[in-house]
Amino acid sequence: AQSVTQLDSQVPVFEEAPVELRCNYSSSVSVYLFWYVQYPNQGLQLLLKYLSGSTLVKGINGFEAEFNKSQTSFHLRKPSVHISDTAEYFCAVSSAGNQFYFGTGTSLTVIP
Amino acid sequence: DTGVSQDPRHKITKRGQNVTFRCDPISEHNRLYWYRQTLGQGPEFLTYFQNEAQLEKSRLLSDRFSAERPKGSFSTLEIQRTEQGDSAMYLCASSLGPALHTEAFFGQGTRLTVV
Repeated sequence: AQSVTQLDSQVPVFEEAPVELRCNYSSSVSVYLFWYVQYPNQGLQLLLKYLSGSTLVKGINGFEAEFNKSQTSFHLRKPSVHISDTAEYFCAVSSAGNQFYFGTGTSLTVIP
Repeated sequence: DTGVSQDPRHKITKRGQNVTFRCDPISEHNRLYWYRQTLGQGPEFLTYFQNEAQLEKSRLLSDRFSAERPKGSFSTLEIQRTEQGDSAMYLCASSLGPALHTEAFFGQGTRLTVV
């Protein structure tokens, strides 16, 4: 079975500051990892995904994430956040590719 | 707009009533997924279709829930004899092929409130 833990439920950060949203996963098999963003009253949008290869993955809107197998982590980072980054962020894991297991989400609030 | 659309966006129903939601995926997508999201939680997988075939159902899905995709295009999710615990956001997503290799696009969801 797979599971995802997002360690921070809420992260406030000032505009133009860097941010890291933490995600740890648990799985007995090889996994694929994803970050989704959900803006208010919107559906989920894929930010980035790790399937294989380079452990540093770059996504949309300047976000990147690093897969660390030994620490079973897939933390999301952005060097300088904007007001428009305020949203809910979900980490997800999949092994068979047919369903995703999502974390409980991290609410990112960018403070002007 | 050619994204995933869900109808209705909001539904309030009395306990014990039946409700049905509709999802229209992106037209060329052959995979369709249903998820449920409660307050403070991430989306939970319910079921998915490849074309008209329902290939997987979550063990969380009680017998009161049924989903169909009769012509491999739109899908419906029906909940019979609704309970207050069914109150949630129901999300639909679609993809072209396995979600690993292509992006899964989500709709805006149907928010169900059971009173």
